[in-house]
Amino acid sequence: EIVLTQSPGTLSLSPGERATLSCRASQSVDTSYLAWYQQKPGQAPRLLIYAASIRATGIPDRFSGSGSGTDFTLTISRLEPEDFAVYHCHQYGDSPFTFGPGTKVDIK
Amino acid sequence: EVQLLESGGGSVQPGGSLRLSCAASGFTFSNYAMSWVRQAPGKGLEWVSGIDGSGHTYYPDSVRGRFTISRDDSKNMLFLEMNSLRAEDTAVYYCAKDGFSASSIYFFDYWGQGTLVTVSS
Repeated sequence: EIVLTQSPGTLSLSPGERATLSCRASQSVDTSYLAWYQQKPGQAPRLLIYAASIRATGIPDRFSGSGSGTDFTLTISRLEPEDFAVYHCHQYGDSPFTFGPGTKVDIK
Repeated sequence: EVQLLESGGGSVQPGGSLRLSCAASGFTFSNYAMSWVRQAPGKGLEWVSGIDGSGHTYYPDSVRGRFTISRDDSKNMLFLEMNSLRAEDTAVYYCAKDGFSASSIYFFDYWGQGTLVTVSS
């Protein structure tokens, strides 16, 4: 099973700042089959990025994904008030498909 | 507009059974794989089952042999039969649509709002 580790656990930033979230896999993720989701309290997750770097439909271009192999990054170029949430990475290259524990981005 | 509406959650004693349903609309259901993903209170996400368009099923070891996923393409419905439930199965269960195709399990582009399953004596 591929174990995903996300860091930091919590990121405290101000609106307008840049957020850099890391997702590290215990082994190489096949064909960069790595997705990122945003989740707000009491809501279902929302797809942001798939295939490591492709933005989902309707996702603002301030969100970008990069990486390959075992190291992946989600970057939010300038935080908007609605971006404060928990972010989950997800590998779908190898069953069982697994998620990271999440990074919470909160307001400083 | 894609909509996924889960139902069937509730409270059950350890060792009991529950059947979850997910009603799908707004897309050609048979053209996509579907999955169930759960989230224990205050915890992260865990994929618990998937089914492709041909009916092939996929499970992690944590639920294999206890959970059964199925689909009825004629009614645009997804199901999860859960048996031998344990306290650690307590979670919100989400129905999720595959974002790519019917051929296998990939990423999830639409999620339902979830249904809560509580396993407790």
